[in-house]
Amino acid sequence: GENVGLHLPTLSVQEGDNSIINCAYSNSASDYFIWYKQESGKGPQFIIDIRSNMDKRQGQRVTVLLNKTVKHLSLQIAATQPGDSAVYFCAENMGHFGNEKLTFGTGTRLTIIP
Amino acid sequence: DTGVSQNPRHKITKRGQNVTFRCDPISEHNRLYWYRQTLGQGPEFLTYFQNEAQLEKSRLLSDRFSAERPKGSFSTLEIQRTEQGDSAMYLCASSFEGGRADTQYFGPGTRLTVL
Repeated sequence: GENVGLHLPTLSVQEGDNSIINCAYSNSASDYFIWYKQESGKGPQFIIDIRSNMDKRQGQRVTVLLNKTVKHLSLQIAATQPGDSAVYFCAENMGHFGNEKLTFGTGTRLTIIP
Repeated sequence: DTGVSQNPRHKITKRGQNVTFRCDPISEHNRLYWYRQTLGQGPEFLTYFQNEAQLEKSRLLSDRFSAERPKGSFSTLEIQRTEQGDSAMYLCASSFEGGRADTQYFGPGTRLTVL
């Protein structure tokens, strides 16, 4: 099957700086994308999502950008805090076109340096 | 109830034993999903239910695995004759069908160690 992948496995950012985590996807039929945060020993925590009819969506300190032309997704975290240290996964599915399962990438480990 | 709960949180068993995990979804969520996650990897889909009906099963779900959701509320995942390769985190998620998207919310997982 087609996979969701990530460009970088690890990322270290100084506390207070902004971070950008990137993700490439290959299934052009996917119309729904989600970012999850996973801390050690815990389940994935929903951060933000975006549908394919949007290019950008903002939440509290987070922004997701979707570029369908190059099949690229990014998560921007503003003013990073120590609690942002975790593994971040992007996931995709085909939403209401069927295939309800989420397909995850391998994740990016974000470390916030105090 | 503010989230998905899973029990037990940890399970250590000997190879060849059977194990059963339970998932309680968010109230009123009619969809329930099981995923498996190994160290350093993203979760992999196993199966999902809409109400009582099991609608999709991954090829990862061998005949030693069985999942049920008898009353459309909680679900159980049983693994028979466990093997060392079954060691992983088993994650449950739930969602509500309808609206603009079926956001899946995950539980804390059950970590299985097969000795």
